[in-house]
Amino acid sequence: GAGVSQSPSNKVTEKGKDVELRCDPISGHTALYWYRQSLGQGLEFLIYFQGNSAPDKSGLPSDRFSAERTGGSVSTLTIQRTQQEDSAVYLCASSLPGTSGGGRDTQYFGPGTRLTVL
Amino acid sequence: KNQVEQSPQSLIILEGKNCTLQCNYTVSPFSNLRWYKQDTGRGPVSLTIMTFSENTKSNGRYTATLDADTKQSSLHITASQLSDSASYICVVSARNYGQNFVFGPGTRLSVLP
Repeated sequence: GAGVSQSPSNKVTEKGKDVELRCDPISGHTALYWYRQSLGQGLEFLIYFQGNSAPDKSGLPSDRFSAERTGGSVSTLTIQRTQQEDSAVYLCASSLPGTSGGGRDTQYFGPGTRLTVL
Repeated sequence: KNQVEQSPQSLIILEGKNCTLQCNYTVSPFSNLRWYKQDTGRGPVSLTIMTFSENTKSNGRYTATLDADTKQSSLHITASQLSDSASYICVVSARNYGQNFVFGPGTRLSVLP
């Protein structure tokens, strides 16, 4: 595709339910990131995938959050037993790996999924 | 604690005027600093990326500066246009391995005709 796509664009769920958010990165991008943006707050890093390497999960706020990336492409962020404080916009980004490391690669963001937990 | 602060929180200017947005950080060890533009309801779009050795970088009417000694960065917008109305986010990477980014809260810029 032309850019990073995410689905659904909006998700309303009840407290305690599980939700799955999907991200389709730009074709050929081996790096994929998930972020969370709460209302009026800055983006919060959640998890990072790079190729076949073990993902960097250092940003996941609790064990209710998990993410997978199948076949090095599509990624799914799963939130179990959702809480009201999980309400936010969840953004996905992808990039090519920087040849020199150090994260110089430009990230391309999707439009986000707005999650509302009632 | 790794933190990124931005000022002002919001800014209103008239079309055609210049403006400068500020970013201060306490992230260590420093890897790189990025400025993003985020339109309402859209994902952020990268404007500039700077490493420790770079102290200025331009992208059209956007010019970013970095002072790694004082841990400050600025984003200067020249001859503002209505389409510049957006949130501008400063992001600092804390390490070279992995992607642990620290995002600032953003500055909301409104350009009026």
